Amino acid sequence: GAVVSQHPSRVICKSGTSVKIECRSLDFQATTMFWYRQFPKQSLMLMATSNEGSKATYEQGVEKDKFLINHASLTLSTLTVTSAHPEDSSFYICSAPRDGQGTDTQYFGPGTRLTVL
Amino acid sequence: AQSVTQLDSHVSVSEGTPVLLRCNYSSSYSPSLFWYVQHPNKGLQLLLKYTSAATLVKGINGFEAEFKKSETSFHLTKPSAHMSDAAEYFCVVSDRNSGTYKYIFGTGTRLKVLA
Repeated sequence: GAVVSQHPSRVICKSGTSVKIECRSLDFQATTMFWYRQFPKQSLMLMATSNEGSKATYEQGVEKDKFLINHASLTLSTLTVTSAHPEDSSFYICSAPRDGQGTDTQYFGPGTRLTVL
Repeated sequence: AQSVTQLDSHVSVSEGTPVLLRCNYSSSYSPSLFWYVQHPNKGLQLLLKYTSAATLVKGINGFEAEFKKSETSFHLTKPSAHMSDAAEYFCVVSDRNSGTYKYIFGTGTRLKVLA
């Protein structure tokens, strides 16, 4: 149990276009989800906390108008990279703790590799 | 503020020899600590976690870690390395103070296993 999926796994887009990444908890409910980005051979950096039914909370230095987050249901959060540029190319990973589990263990999706040409 | 320091960016061991990946943490509160492994082009997998119960934590694939409050350490060990252990390992502290259990990641240690 506790599976998190992401779609797509890989996307290539042209500069200036927008890209939407989905994060789903397949077998549990998640009121909160987290979005990270990971540059090659580097650690994960938290971008934002996604909250079902309310606005996302962004980390310092992350542009909320650039990275739009929508937590539409208890099993789905989306990250839209708007007007993407080559510097947005990265590995985007989501995670979620299971509601009601009583621990702070997060379950991670497999990641989405975004390449902006 | 909480933080995690992984002391080695790269570790190389021979197959069959012990593995030691070092992690030190800083926390004003009782932390939750985790070790995750990331294989190339794969998602993060939880190896083990410490949440204020037993200080010696056993995880999957023969890994274990010991929480030492006096040393603020949570080093990951395995008695005998296997080729399949080659991956990136992340030590993580959970920010309970925020109420949202945000994770703070270490910079990672790349483990190489030599035949």
